[in-house]
Amino acid sequence: AQSVAQPEDQVNVAEGNPLTVKCTYSVSGNPYLFWYVQYPNRGLQFLLKYITGDNLVKGSYGFEAEFNKSQTSFHLKKPSALVSDSALYFCAVRDVYTGGFKTIFGAGTRLFVKA
Amino acid sequence: DTAVSQTPKYLVTQMGNDKSIKCEQNLGHDTMYWYKQDSKKFLKIMFSYNNKELIINETVPNRFSPKSPDKAHLNLHINSLELGDSAVYFCASSQGGQANTGELFFGEGSRLTVL
Repeated sequence: AQSVAQPEDQVNVAEGNPLTVKCTYSVSGNPYLFWYVQYPNRGLQFLLKYITGDNLVKGSYGFEAEFNKSQTSFHLKKPSALVSDSALYFCAVRDVYTGGFKTIFGAGTRLFVKA
Repeated sequence: DTAVSQTPKYLVTQMGNDKSIKCEQNLGHDTMYWYKQDSKKFLKIMFSYNNKELIINETVPNRFSPKSPDKAHLNLHINSLELGDSAVYFCASSQGGQANTGELFFGEGSRLTVL
């Protein structure tokens, strides 16, 4: 079965510092990986995805993620955190065994950026 | 101009009642979904529809009955509501096609509270 794991419930970082939100995956075959962000009382918003190609993927709001096949990881990063980045972040994998009609989400990591 | 809209945003009802949530997308996508987010923010897929056809039914109780009258709409009807049905229900859509690698677009959620 395909799955993603987010080992940290919460990440705290000071504004202006770099941030990393971790994600590891377990899939058979080529993984289709995604990051989403959820602000309070809102739906999820897409940040970026890795399908194929360059291992460093750039996305919205200055976020990027690095796909590492040997470590089966897809960590989300940002060089300089903003207070407004505080939100709930979800890593996700597209389940190709169902023809891509199911996206499986990690448990989420809450990011707190302190001013 | 809202891409994925769902109504109502809030429902408060008694156990045993029946309720419906409506969802519409104006993105021209082929695939629509219902996800359930519990109180711990864990997201779980319930149903996937592609071109009005049910593709995924993730062992959801048959009290939950989705209906897709056309590609742009996916409604969710819930019979005999139980306390455990209290959650936020998210509608989402994505562009279909081979491997269905498109990202999900989410509605703002419908918060159901069963008393």
